Amino acid sequence: DAGVTQSPTHLIKTRGQQVTLRCSPKSGHDTVSWYQQALGQGPQFIFQYYEEEERQRGNFPDRFSGHQFPNYSSELNVNALLLGDSALYLCASSLPGGLWEQYFGPGTRLTVT
Amino acid sequence: GNSVTQMEGPVTLSEEAFLTINCTYTATGYPSLFWYVQYPGEGLQLLLKATKADDKGSNKGFEATYRKETTSFHLEKGSVQVSDSAVYFCALSDEGDNYGQNFVFGPGTRLSVLP
Repeated sequence: DAGVTQSPTHLIKTRGQQVTLRCSPKSGHDTVSWYQQALGQGPQFIFQYYEEEERQRGNFPDRFSGHQFPNYSSELNVNALLLGDSALYLCASSLPGGLWEQYFGPGTRLTVT
Repeated sequence: GNSVTQMEGPVTLSEEAFLTINCTYTATGYPSLFWYVQYPGEGLQLLLKATKADDKGSNKGFEATYRKETTSFHLEKGSVQVSDSAVYFCALSDEGDNYGQNFVFGPGTRLSVLP
């Protein structure tokens, strides 16, 4: 059984560009959360999707948007990239009713130059 | 808003030493509390959790007790091993308005255990 998968593994973008990151949740999981982890820091909660709707959102600007598909996979989109957006982006999934038991993917390392 | 504070690292211990990593939180309502661990080259893994006051979470010899009166959730292990070397994150979650939960992580504490 595959765990949470994310693509791509690494990405290099230029300031001002747009990026899309993808996440497939663990089998049977229907809730997906996205986090930004800067080097040497803890993950910062971006938002959470359930039933194809954004249910909760952290303190991130509207440049960060997302989507959840009927198969529960999810995308994170970031527009107008800034140098400060360089980070590891983590996706986590959880079972229905088990929101606190999150399973994390390996992350996508985004570098903005 | 909610926040989590944990002790600064890095923490360096000898094998079989006693470990404590302090974690305190600020939250409205009644959050659930967690410890996550990130081993070198691996993703975040849930280590243990507690969902209400006085609950004790435990796993792999690690323990933490949800202390509402001191708003703390300190991680302890009686005898650490080299394989425990990792970064440990304290975190909390509480229910939001639209279903779902808001998660807040601490900055992490790096533990190095020497043989």
